[in-house]
Amino acid sequence: AQKVTQAQTEISVVEKEDVTLDCVYETRDTTYYLFWYKQPPSGELVFLIRRNSFDEQNEISGRYSWNFQKSTSSFNFTITASQVVDSAVYFCAPSGAGSYQLTFGKGTKLSVIP
Amino acid sequence: NAGVMQNPRHLVRRRGQEARLRCSPMKGHSHVYWYRQLPEEGLKFMVYLQKENIIDESGMPKERFSAEFPKEGPSILRIQQVVRGDSAAYFCASTTPRRLPGGYTFGSGTRLTVV
Repeated sequence: AQKVTQAQTEISVVEKEDVTLDCVYETRDTTYYLFWYKQPPSGELVFLIRRNSFDEQNEISGRYSWNFQKSTSSFNFTITASQVVDSAVYFCAPSGAGSYQLTFGKGTKLSVIP
Repeated sequence: NAGVMQNPRHLVRRRGQEARLRCSPMKGHSHVYWYRQLPEEGLKFMVYLQKENIIDESGMPKERFSAEFPKEGPSILRIQQVVRGDSAAYFCASTTPRRLPGGYTFGSGTRLTVV
């Protein structure tokens, strides 16, 4: 079973600031996956990234980057030069390698102020 | 190639009525998963179905909730005698059997409001 903690309930930043969303997870699996999803005010869930536990390279996709630290069980998400359209709730979710279930955190609500 | 389609987007039911939520998986997908999102919470797994077969319903409430995925047609999540606590967003996802565990795309959800 997995457990995930997103300690930041709400964050507000001014447009163009950088912001990091924290995610700390617990798992007994030796192989697992980590996901981030975005839920904008319209309510749908948008897949952002899937990371394998055996690949600790950090990843960058445009203004988004992810820092995976297996030693501290963290998978933090940074948005560079934030924009108003980034305003959403962001969920971190681990999944065991042999599991079809995602375990969602409570999410971090990001508000980007123009 | 349409994604996972859920309908209705919004559903209002009075206490005691039945709610039927539909999920049409992506073309070629034979596995369906339902998740529930209570207000201010993350999503919680409810049930995993293959065509004509329930694989894992460990997240389903013991009473009033049922799910099916028939050979033809969409998957249905059925809630009988709804109560206010059933008000939530219900999300569906689908995969092929070969898809990585957990690596699935969600539908846009059905928002159920019980009045």
